[in-house]
Amino acid sequence: DIEMTQSPSSLSASVGDRVTITCRASQSVRDYLNWYQQKPGKAPNLLIYGASNLQSGVPSRFSGSGSGTDFTLTISNLQPEDFATYYCQQTYNLPQLTFGGGTKVEIK
Amino acid sequence: EVQLVESGGGLVQPGGSLRLSCAASGFTFSSYDLHWVRQATGKGLEWVSTIGTSDDTYYPDSVKGRFTISRENAKNSLYLQMNNLRVGDTAVYYCARANFLGLRMYFDLWGRGTLVTVSS
Repeated sequence: DIEMTQSPSSLSASVGDRVTITCRASQSVRDYLNWYQQKPGKAPNLLIYGASNLQSGVPSRFSGSGSGTDFTLTISNLQPEDFATYYCQQTYNLPQLTFGGGTKVEIK
Repeated sequence: EVQLVESGGGLVQPGGSLRLSCAASGFTFSSYDLHWVRQATGKGLEWVSTIGTSDDTYYPDSVKGRFTISRENAKNSLYLQMNNLRVGDTAVYYCARANFLGLRMYFDLWGRGTLVTVSS
């Protein structure tokens, strides 16, 4: 199975900050990489698919980049509603798809 | 409204069985691959099973032989039959719809989840 490692596992940031979350795959997943946001008690919500494609309805302050084994989710101008946990997911090695361990973004 | 709604969760003893359901609405159910994903309290997301549009099914080793995914297109419903449940299966179970950008799959629609608790 392909392992997905996110870093950091948590971070503290302020409204207006630029936040970067990293996801590393144990082997190449090309650009078969998705990002989800999850708020407490809620289901995950798709932000980015195919490494860099913004899901419809998601604010443009969210962006994704990377290919192969190293990927980044960037939140520019962090807003109060962005405090949540973020997960990456690889769907290259189907049917065995895997998620990263999550990154919790907290208020500083 | 396009949505997925899970049901069937509850408290079950170790070794017991439970059947989860996921009711879909607002889209052509039969045209989509569907998945179950679970999340233990305070933990991350774990893929549990997949069923394709041709009823092909897939599981991780952690549930293979114990869980069975199925679908009933006429009822717009997805199911997960869980047998020989273990304490470690305790989690919120989500159903999710898969969509594709070329060959790149992603989950663009999730249900709200149903809680399964395995405890004596």
